[in-house]
Amino acid sequence: AQSVAQPEDQVNVAEGNPLTVKCTYSVSGNPYLFWYVQYPNRGLQFLLKYITGDNLVKGSYGFEAEFNKSQTSFHLKKPSALVSDSALYFCAVVAPGTYKYIFGTGTRLKVLA
Amino acid sequence: EAGVAQSPRYKIIEKRQSVAFWCNPISGHATLYWYQQILGQGPKLLIQFQNNGVVDDSQLPKDRFSAERLKGVDSTLKIQPAKLEDSAVYLCASSITNREMLFFGPGTRLTVL
Repeated sequence: AQSVAQPEDQVNVAEGNPLTVKCTYSVSGNPYLFWYVQYPNRGLQFLLKYITGDNLVKGSYGFEAEFNKSQTSFHLKKPSALVSDSALYFCAVVAPGTYKYIFGTGTRLKVLA
Repeated sequence: EAGVAQSPRYKIIEKRQSVAFWCNPISGHATLYWYQQILGQGPKLLIQFQNNGVVDDSQLPKDRFSAERLKGVDSTLKIQPAKLEDSAVYLCASSITNREMLFFGPGTRLTVL
């Protein structure tokens, strides 16, 4: 069955430090992977996606994600965190052929000044 | 480009009452999704349309929830009768295809008393 896991409910990081938000998936075949962000009282917004090609994907607001097929992971990263990055982050997966867009449970990122 | 429109933004009803939500996707987007997001959780897919056909409704509680997308454009999600556990934000999203980024509407916050 298709699934996606975000093992950390919350991640705290100091401003200026690098951040990582973890995501692992379970699908048959080669997945399509996405990251979305949800700021307080705002809708979900697309950050970046991996379909095929280079394992390191760059997205909005300086975020990037690394696709690792052997570890079935798609971790979100940023070299230097900003307080304004504090939000709820969701990983999502679409398995080829199923057309189902499944979201993880979310990770709350808190960047401390 | 206009975004995904949803109405109403907020709704308060008593249990056993009925309620309907409306969504107008971005023009030209073939795929439309309804998600339920309970506070603190990730979005849960309720139903997915491709044009006016249902692709997946495996997690839609069909004894009380119904949805339609007549003419392959806007969509309505109905709950009848509502239960306390239906209190959540109902998100509508659309995409050009089922492998592309989703555009989310602002959501409808439903409170069932």
